[in-house]
Amino acid sequence: DAKTTQPPSMDCAEGRAANLPCNHSTISGNEYVYWYRQIHSQGPQYIIHGLKNNETNEMASLIITEDRKSSTLILPHATLRDTAVYYCIVRGGSQGNLIFGKGTKLSVKP
Amino acid sequence: GAVVSQHPSRVICKSGTSVKIECRSLDFQATTMFWYRQFPKKSLMLMATSNEGSKATYEQGVEKDKFLINHASLTLSTLTVTSAHPEDSSFYICSAKGASGSGEIYEQYFGPGTRLTVT
Repeated sequence: DAKTTQPPSMDCAEGRAANLPCNHSTISGNEYVYWYRQIHSQGPQYIIHGLKNNETNEMASLIITEDRKSSTLILPHATLRDTAVYYCIVRGGSQGNLIFGKGTKLSVKP
Repeated sequence: GAVVSQHPSRVICKSGTSVKIECRSLDFQATTMFWYRQFPKKSLMLMATSNEGSKATYEQGVEKDKFLINHASLTLSTLTVTSAHPEDSSFYICSAKGASGSGEIYEQYFGPGTRLTVT
């Protein structure tokens, strides 16, 4: 599975959009981009995933560049409860394992 | 989304004893379950992958005789930490993926974790 690079930390003001970037320049054609988050001392929570088209659900939007080498997770209106470590993971469809990197620690501030 | 539960959420045991952690998929059949461990301020590390009815596949460096995994049914997997030592103290998280009875395919969902402290 391809590796990903994320900034170690980011701050966001409450009520503003949080845009979390992820680089995955070695991604291959059949690999998906997954996003999970982990709030302190809890198990990771699934957010969204995509292959090449942009995706949106009730939690977030995922924007994948045309060359698929990077993506951005967007939380449209961040709240204090969105403070967590966000993991961007590249996986070969439903068969690969989820291998976690260091993620981005997002701090939403009032 | 699908629900995965773990029990217990927190356990303290004495060095040399064994501890069993249960992981259940509550509303779907988990054909594959995963066990991770996480040290403080570190990321999750995959320990092993198990498919229902077959032996678990362990990641490099994980002792299979120390971390016994059983996935005897489509809704239950157990991790037994045998002869636990203080260095085994960690946050253990299970994960499951599979399909519902209607055939809906689930992505990988995680349990709430079990904090093990070995004294």
